[in-house]
Amino acid sequence: NAGVTQTPKFQVLKTGQSMTLQCAQDMNHEYMSWYRQDPGMGLRLIHYSVGAGITDQGEVPNGYNVSRSTTEDFPLRLLSAAPSQTSVYFCASRTQGAVNSPLHFGNGTRLTVT
Amino acid sequence: GENVEQHPSTLSVQEGDSAVIKCTYSDSASNYFPWYKQELGKRPQLIIDIRSNVGEKKDQRIAVTLNKTAKHFSLHITETQPEDSAVYFCAASYNDMRFGAGTRLTVKP
Repeated sequence: NAGVTQTPKFQVLKTGQSMTLQCAQDMNHEYMSWYRQDPGMGLRLIHYSVGAGITDQGEVPNGYNVSRSTTEDFPLRLLSAAPSQTSVYFCASRTQGAVNSPLHFGNGTRLTVT
Repeated sequence: GENVEQHPSTLSVQEGDSAVIKCTYSDSASNYFPWYKQELGKRPQLIIDIRSNVGEKKDQRIAVTLNKTAKHFSLHITETQPEDSAVYFCAASYNDMRFGAGTRLTVKP
């Protein structure tokens, strides 16, 4: 299994540009999520999904959109990039059931907005 | 939503000493508490976790304790080694998972 795969690894955008960060998992996990990591602020939840067709907002959803059309994929869209969105983005997945389970993280995407 | 606070933000110990990191959470519905280790430039990786029906769990040099009444949990690392140097994150989970701000642990040889 490849686990959680994120693309691209690095990206530079100009203010106002749009892009999609890709995330795919091959573990048949129902739950998928996106976090951003900034120095001194830990991992902050952007959006999450408990299954295909279901998404919900996390702590910092503004400026980001998500969709979940399949179990495997959970893309994160930036509609109009801002310098405040410069960060490292992690996608993570886990099984979703009565008993919580650990998150499996992708390798991250380092995004710079100039 | 859930709020997780983590202390200290930095911790420096001598090799062989113990290290303790503490976290508190706000949502009494949270029932799963993992700890992650992140090395520079890498993704977070699970090192130990505990569920709400357990008060303590050990795995070799690492242990976690949970006090559900007080809503706090702690990570204990004994006999620290230089390779334990990293950033450690606690988290609390019910429907989603929220993380603390992290502790940068430095183990001096």
